[in-house]
Amino acid sequence: SAVISQKPSRDICQRGTSLTIQCQVDSQVTMMFWYRQQPGQSLTLIATANQGSEATYESGFVIDKFPISRPNLTFSTLTVSNMSPEDSSIYLCSTQGYSGTSNEQFFGPGTRLTVL
Amino acid sequence: TQLLEQSPQFLSIQEGENLTVYCNSSSVFSSLQWYRQEPGEGPVLLVTVVTGGEVKKLKRLTFQFGDARKDSSLHITAAQPGDTGLYLCALKRESDYKLSFGAGTTVTVRA
Repeated sequence: SAVISQKPSRDICQRGTSLTIQCQVDSQVTMMFWYRQQPGQSLTLIATANQGSEATYESGFVIDKFPISRPNLTFSTLTVSNMSPEDSSIYLCSTQGYSGTSNEQFFGPGTRLTVL
Repeated sequence: TQLLEQSPQFLSIQEGENLTVYCNSSSVFSSLQWYRQEPGEGPVLLVTVVTGGEVKKLKRLTFQFGDARKDSSLHITAAQPGDTGLYLCALKRESDYKLSFGAGTTVTVRA
C-alpha cells in the first residue's frame, strides 16, 4: 500500500491570499488526484495531476484557481489561489498504484483549510 | 455522470445495535466501492463489489451488491464505537480510475 503525507495538515488563511498544499507518496504511482471535501460533505474530484504535463480538471474547476504541479511520480502540489471563505474545505490527494492493476486508491490525511 | 444516492445521511445508534446503509443508482454500474473515513483522515477502502448478487463479509460488516447492479448495501452487526465514521460508496471509472462518491452516511455509535 502507498503511504501518503500532506503538508500542511491545516491552515487558516486570509481572503485573497494563496496556499500551496504538498502531497508526497512513499512509492512511484501512475495516477495522482486532488479532491475537495467541503464541511459535512462528500468528496468531489478537482483534477488529475499528470506527470510532466498539465493537470486535467473536472467540470467547475479551472487551472487559474487551482494550479497543480506534478514534477515526478511521487510528488504533487495543489495551490488554492485568491482564496475566499467558500474555499474553506478539506483538500485530499489520492493515488492509484504504479502497476495500474491495483483496484485500491489510497488517500492522504487531508489538509484542512479555513479562509477568513 | 452516473449519480449515487446514499441513505440515510445520518445514523446514530447505541453500541450493540445493527445498522444498514444504502447506495443506489438509476444506472447499472460495473463495480462499486465502499470507503470509511474517520475524522482527520482520508477515506480507506473497505471493499469492492463486482458481481450482481455478490455478498462480501469483513468481520461484522456485510456488503451486498444488488442482482441488477444498481444498488448496494452495507450492514454492520453489533456496532461498536470504533465503527463511528463517514461511510461512502463510490464508483470507479475503469478507463481513468476516477472516483465518484455518494453523499456519505455519518454513523455515530454511542457507548
